[in-house]
Amino acid sequence: AQKVTQAQTEISVVEKEDVTLDCVYETRDTTYYLFWYKQPPSGELVFLIRRNSFDEQNEISGRYSWNFQKSTSSFNFTITASQVVDSAVYFCALSEEHNQGGKLIFGQGTELSVKP
Amino acid sequence: DGGITQSPKYLFRKEGQNVTLSCEQNLNHDAMYWYRQDPGQGLRLIYYSQIVNDFQKGDIAEGYSVSREKKESFPLTVTSAQKNPTAFYLCASSTRGVTEAFFGQGTRLTVV
Repeated sequence: AQKVTQAQTEISVVEKEDVTLDCVYETRDTTYYLFWYKQPPSGELVFLIRRNSFDEQNEISGRYSWNFQKSTSSFNFTITASQVVDSAVYFCALSEEHNQGGKLIFGQGTELSVKP
Repeated sequence: DGGITQSPKYLFRKEGQNVTLSCEQNLNHDAMYWYRQDPGQGLRLIYYSQIVNDFQKGDIAEGYSVSREKKESFPLTVTSAQKNPTAFYLCASSTRGVTEAFFGQGTRLTVV
């Protein structure tokens, strides 16, 4: 069965601290796709990254970086030098559908609070 | 501006009444989706549609119905058969292939 687990329900840090959000997934497919979305207080989900199962290269985008490890079925997200604007709920998601990027299995979400 | 519009933002209904949530997109996306979000939980898929006049049930379709008469519109009806309809509802759309989905700002439905 497919499943995404985000064990950290809430994380609170002080501005400029680094923070890592964990994501562990389960799937039987050899081809799958992993996503991270950010949900600010306004409610909509904002896409951050997509990674397919054949690409284990880590990715860095500004203060954001992602570590994908198939050996541990994890796709962790690190924010370096966190800022107050990073406060949001972050979702990790899995898709096994090759033609539908919106058909997703979501984790429970991690609420990140960055205090000044 | 291109995007997804959900209306209304807040909706209150009495128990036993059907209610329809609107979702419109001008991104020319083929696929559209409805998700439900409950406090402290991730999103769960209710219905999705890959093409006009066609849609499929997601994981929690019971008590909901949809239609897809136009490419840009995918309304969701929460029927009286839905046992616990109070939730935050999000609509999304995507192009064909494995691309990211774009989400609307959601409708918060409260049934009293």
